Amino acid sequence: DSGVTQTPKHLITATGQRVTLRCSPRSGDLSVYWYQQSLDQGLQFLIQYYNGEERAKGNILERFSAQQFPDLHSELNLSSLELGDSALYFCASSVAGGSGANVLTFGAGSRLTVL
Amino acid sequence: QKEVEQDPGPLSVPEGAIVSLNCTYSNSAFQYFMWYRQYSRKGPELLMYTYSSGNKEDGRFTAQVDKSSKYISLFIRDSQPSDSATYLCAMIPWYSSASKIIFGSGTRLSIRP
Repeated sequence: DSGVTQTPKHLITATGQRVTLRCSPRSGDLSVYWYQQSLDQGLQFLIQYYNGEERAKGNILERFSAQQFPDLHSELNLSSLELGDSALYFCASSVAGGSGANVLTFGAGSRLTVL
Repeated sequence: QKEVEQDPGPLSVPEGAIVSLNCTYSNSAFQYFMWYRQYSRKGPELLMYTYSSGNKEDGRFTAQVDKSSKYISLFIRDSQPSDSATYLCAMIPWYSSASKIIFGSGTRLSIRP
């Protein structure tokens, strides 16, 4: 157990629907990162939050949004889902600063299947 | 051309063999180098973390960084079936942080008993 908790583990939904993925970071970590992993794209960075504020944005679609709450858990919202959104979505966390900030601890992922 | 290139494999070796996994990169600003291991249907887990050039050893694992050649390697000695997984290299520029981490596409490794 990495200490990063993601729910749900597996989600099946239809095109056009909206889903919410949830992540609780490791105790003491202030940064949360969201990644998408598909077979043909590898691990793609979506967005980072640090202590409740958006810190960095990657290749995140406008249909996707995220937030980090005061208790540091984070949610990734995916809307108007398309078949191509089917992928593994990982949450990772890191400590606040220093070299440790470069070390990501990943959760087990949420597998999204869009039919 | 991708910033980080990694042979996807699959690589299949017999138990007990020495495994060599490699990545090449094009950005000379990369300063932090990592190897992650990812088992099927699991999240990546950090195996090795090195700063700049040189070698780092941890048990059966050795990470090497050659910045002059823009080449990093992970060696696994006395490989075990439990080492069967996908191995991802990852790098961060010296001026940045984890939000700028670039992952290789991963090499799938299979250790035959």
